[in-house]
Amino acid sequence: DAKTTQPTSMDCAEGRAANLPCNHSTISGNEYVYWYRQIHSQGPQYIIHGLKNNETNEMASLIITEDRKSSTLILPHATLRDTAVYYCIAAQGAQKLVFGQGTRLTINP
Amino acid sequence: SAVISQKPSRDICQRGTSLTIQCQVDSQVTMMFWYRQQPGQSLTLIATANQGSEATYESGFVIDKFPISRPNLTFSTLTVSNMSPEDSSIYLCSVGGTGGSFYGYTFGSGTRLTVV
Repeated sequence: DAKTTQPTSMDCAEGRAANLPCNHSTISGNEYVYWYRQIHSQGPQYIIHGLKNNETNEMASLIITEDRKSSTLILPHATLRDTAVYYCIAAQGAQKLVFGQGTRLTINP
Repeated sequence: SAVISQKPSRDICQRGTSLTIQCQVDSQVTMMFWYRQQPGQSLTLIATANQGSEATYESGFVIDKFPISRPNLTFSTLTVSNMSPEDSSIYLCSVGGTGGSFYGYTFGSGTRLTVV
């Protein structure tokens, strides 16, 4: 599985868009980009995933660059409940997930 | 998505003993995994639980220490054997592959293990 690189931590003001970057320069053609988050003391929660095209669901949007070497997770209107560790993972579909260290996102009032 | 019941939610165990953690899913799933999360760390994959056959372990994890069973498509157990304080972690079950499409894995709420 391709290795991903994320900033260790980020801050965002409540109500603003939170943009979380992820680099995956060695991603292969059949690997998806997955985003999960882990709120304190809970199991990770699936957010979104994509292969080539940008994706949007009720939780977030995923923007993948044309060369697929990086992506950005966008939380359009961050709330205090979005404070969590966010993990970007590159993996083939329906295969094991290998977690990196993730980005600790803090939403400030 | 699948609903996971993981038991126990927490336990305090004596060193040298063993603990078996159960993962029950409300629907048949193709994929089941076990993870460990040490204090302040990210998740580390222990093994893939294979239905009807031996689990596939990741580097650094062995069957003698972490025996895994998966008798059917809705249930799996992870045993932490001969425990030491270094085994104090959160252990999580993860499942996926319900139905015909893949919508991401679901994680249990975890078992918080403290070894004294």
